[in-house]
Amino acid sequence: QKEVEQNSGPLSVPEGAIASLNCTYSDRGSQSFFWYRQYSGKSPELIMFIYSNGDKEDGRFTAQLNKASQYVSLLIRDSQPSDSATYLCAVNSGGSNYKLTFGKGTLLTVNP
Amino acid sequence: EAQVTQNPRYLITVTGKKLTVTCSQNMNHEYMSWYRQDPGLGLRQIYYSMNVEVTDKGDVPEGYKVSRKEKRNFPLILESPSPNQTSLYFCASSDRVDYGYTFGSGTRLTVV
Repeated sequence: QKEVEQNSGPLSVPEGAIASLNCTYSDRGSQSFFWYRQYSGKSPELIMFIYSNGDKEDGRFTAQLNKASQYVSLLIRDSQPSDSATYLCAVNSGGSNYKLTFGKGTLLTVNP
Repeated sequence: EAQVTQNPRYLITVTGKKLTVTCSQNMNHEYMSWYRQDPGLGLRQIYYSMNVEVTDKGDVPEGYKVSRKEKRNFPLILESPSPNQTSLYFCASSDRVDYGYTFGSGTRLTVV
């Protein structure tokens, strides 16, 4: 069973700070990596995807990928209370792009 | 509006009574998938489909059936529901899975 591991949290940061979320994965064959945000009682919403080693930035969000160390992270700059949610890391696994394996998520709380 | 529509949103049923959760997408996506989400276990893939009449098992397929007779629809069938199938179910679709899935609003199923 390929695994995706995340700290469950909660991770608490003050408004305006940088929130750092981490994820490790076990399948060295994984090629595609995703971060989803899920508000309580809602469906997961795709924030970013990344394929190549290094950083990918989109607004206040930066995804970082290190395939050699098998980790992917998400940085949220200038955190806002509206960023309070569970963040899910997902990785394609089993050599198939259709099979996305999710971590259990990290609960982020941004305090005003 | 581009969306994945699941019905019903909430369902309470009794053990052994066959049920179908419908899923429809209006984006002409080839790829569709079903997930269940349980506290402490995260999102787990039940089945996925790469195109009409092409489906494959995910990580937790036992007790479920799917069919893909039309591109837009991907129903989830529970032939004989049991209480351990009480969960929050999400349907998802994508035109390129390496760009991630778009999720429906979810179906909360309770089997008593």
